[in-house]
Amino acid sequence: QSVLTQPPSVSAAPGQKVTISCSGSSSNIGNNYVSWYQQLPGTAPKLLIYDNNKRPSVIPDRFSGSKSGTSATLGITGLQTGDEADYYCGTWDSSLSAGNWVFGGGTKLTVL
Amino acid sequence: QLQLQESGPGLVKPSETLSLTCTVSGVAISSSSYYWGWIRQPPGKGLGWIGSVYYTGSAHYNPSLKSRVTISVDTSKSQFSLKLSSVTAADTALYYCARGRKYCSDGTCYSTYFDSWGQGTLVTVSS
Repeated sequence: QSVLTQPPSVSAAPGQKVTISCSGSSSNIGNNYVSWYQQLPGTAPKLLIYDNNKRPSVIPDRFSGSKSGTSATLGITGLQTGDEADYYCGTWDSSLSAGNWVFGGGTKLTVL
Repeated sequence: QLQLQESGPGLVKPSETLSLTCTVSGVAISSSSYYWGWIRQPPGKGLGWIGSVYYTGSAHYNPSLKSRVTISVDTSKSQFSLKLSSVTAADTALYYCARGRKYCSDGTCYSTYFDSWGQGTLVTVSS
């Protein structure tokens, strides 16, 4: 069971908007930066969002991130079939003395 | 252009040690801004952080694996390596190496995100 909680799956039609939630606690999301990763089928994860809401230059502005308290959200607008993938949130967890990097369990996005 | 490439045996026997190397090209592994990490993904499952190493050799590990893991760096070869001892079938996974942005707060330094990943290498633990 993951420290960060994500819905197992979400779906929406092409052109629509979808949000993916990531719920944690004060020892992780509440006090550390959140990042999001997209994993297309059969490929390595790719960084989508870092530092809660920043996008690498190669990521289109259809992707956005936000954080409030101990939860974070990934938003995707103008859905395309090519967005079908698994999405993971991640952050540092400082609940243990040595700390630990943690990922959410992943959310499978289906574009209907 | 940064590239990371994992290499190592694809099959390891139970109770033995899994050894993988990640070769970094296109950037200096001795950058003060980054950690170099290992992340794995069991078949059909999610991502799990194994640990990360700084170019000085300072490393931090997932507490659940710490007793079995060693991550080291060889700056002369632009490589960093993973050793995982006493493996079982539960260690069967895709193993990724990745670059992590270094961030320090209140005397503790860690990666805030992983911005570049290798393609991954599948390691199966089986006799």
